[in-house]
Amino acid sequence: KQEVTQIPAALSVPEGENLVLNCSFTDSAIYNLQWFRQDPGKGLTSLLLIQSSQREQTSGRLNASLDKSSGRSTLYIAASQPGDSATYLCAVRNNAGNMLTFGGGTRLMVKP
Amino acid sequence: EAGVVQSPRYKIIEKKQPVAFWCNPISGHNTLYWYRQNLGQGPELLIRYENEEAVDDSQLPKDRFSAERLKGVDSTLKIQPAELGDSAVYLCASSLDRRTEDTQYFGPGTRLTVL
Repeated sequence: KQEVTQIPAALSVPEGENLVLNCSFTDSAIYNLQWFRQDPGKGLTSLLLIQSSQREQTSGRLNASLDKSSGRSTLYIAASQPGDSATYLCAVRNNAGNMLTFGGGTRLMVKP
Repeated sequence: EAGVVQSPRYKIIEKKQPVAFWCNPISGHNTLYWYRQNLGQGPELLIRYENEEAVDDSQLPKDRFSAERLKGVDSTLKIQPAELGDSAVYLCASSLDRRTEDTQYFGPGTRLTVL
């Protein structure tokens, strides 16, 4: 059974800092990995999707990397802003089906 | 384009009462998912529909939970009777079809509190 772990569970940084969120998964037989953002009281918004054959994806100040063999992904946020404050979730989709397995999330607070 | 719509947004009930959640997916999306998200955790899949057929319901507690997707569009998730441990956010998502590369679009969720 796939298990996804995110570290740290919570993070508080001053505005402007570069930061890294970590995600690890136990079964490397994945189709893709996705990073989501969740604001309080709202649903999930997809940020980046990395196919199993890819090593990284970039969107604006966000960069996600994937090392499938070691079961790890990182989300890099450059020059963080207060508007980046949210919970960030990673999810993997396994070869065995269409199901997404989520990590527990990292709650990010960026202080002005 | 309208996103995934869910109602109600919040629901407070006493234990042993029934409750129902409604989801309207994005127009044209054949696949619909119901997830449960406990506080401080990631969402967990309860059931997935391909059109009107439930194709993955292995995580749905069938003794008290039921779901339907009549006509392959809107869906309803029901709990009867509710227990204290059912307090969570219930998220609905939809995707164009079941291909693994398809992005799932999530609704805002229904926050259930069972007293």
